[in-house]
Amino acid sequence: QSALTQPASVSGSPGQSITISCTGTSSDVGVYNYVSWHQQHPGKAPKLMIYDVRNRPSRVSNRFSGSKSGNTASLIISGLQAEDEADYYCSSYTSSSTWVFGGGTKLTVL
Amino acid sequence: EVQLVESGGGLVQPGGSLKLSCAASGFTFSGSAIHWVRQASGKGLEWVGHIRSKVHTYATAYAASVKGRFTISRDDSKNTAYLQMNSLKTEDTAVYYCQTIDYGGVWGQGTLVTVSS
Repeated sequence: QSALTQPASVSGSPGQSITISCTGTSSDVGVYNYVSWHQQHPGKAPKLMIYDVRNRPSRVSNRFSGSKSGNTASLIISGLQAEDEADYYCSSYTSSSTWVFGGGTKLTVL
Repeated sequence: EVQLVESGGGLVQPGGSLKLSCAASGFTFSGSAIHWVRQASGKGLEWVGHIRSKVHTYATAYAASVKGRFTISRDDSKNTAYLQMNSLKTEDTAVYYCQTIDYGGVWGQGTLVTVSS
């Protein structure tokens, strides 16, 4: 199972909105609504931000949202803040009954 | 507090074995699928495998890179999941996390496994 494809880096200024894409195939992202997004600050454990494509845990800011179109899922962060600077990983369930992560995207807040 | 705590990491020689534990608290562990995820130094996250709950017959699945060498189990009476790692290779060196998507998503703090002679 190949890793999902994410851009290596994205950047934005405080207050702006950014989108991180996660491209899979018709064997994972395209066929299942089991896409999650995880945030990881340097030296820390990851944190779940979005699950099942667009659901947000209650402790996560509503500035974070998720969507999916075809084989590509997206994480949208609005009102960018300095604390959002981190690595972001998408993951998806697959037709092999396994899960797969994306390679990760480094978000820089300018 | 909803929490997962890994333990059992350490230094092991290539070809050796190690068993990691993942202790849960603050939520209904027995109803949750538990995933193991690893991260080599400076690298991204890699899904290792998972074990589902009793209602799903404790079904397990593994990444191709560890299939046949690693085994995931759980003891719901102890609120603990395990990752038995055999025939370890140097490329298995990583921080190992346990995680569940349930209950708002919970990640452990990770435990370091180093495979080296």
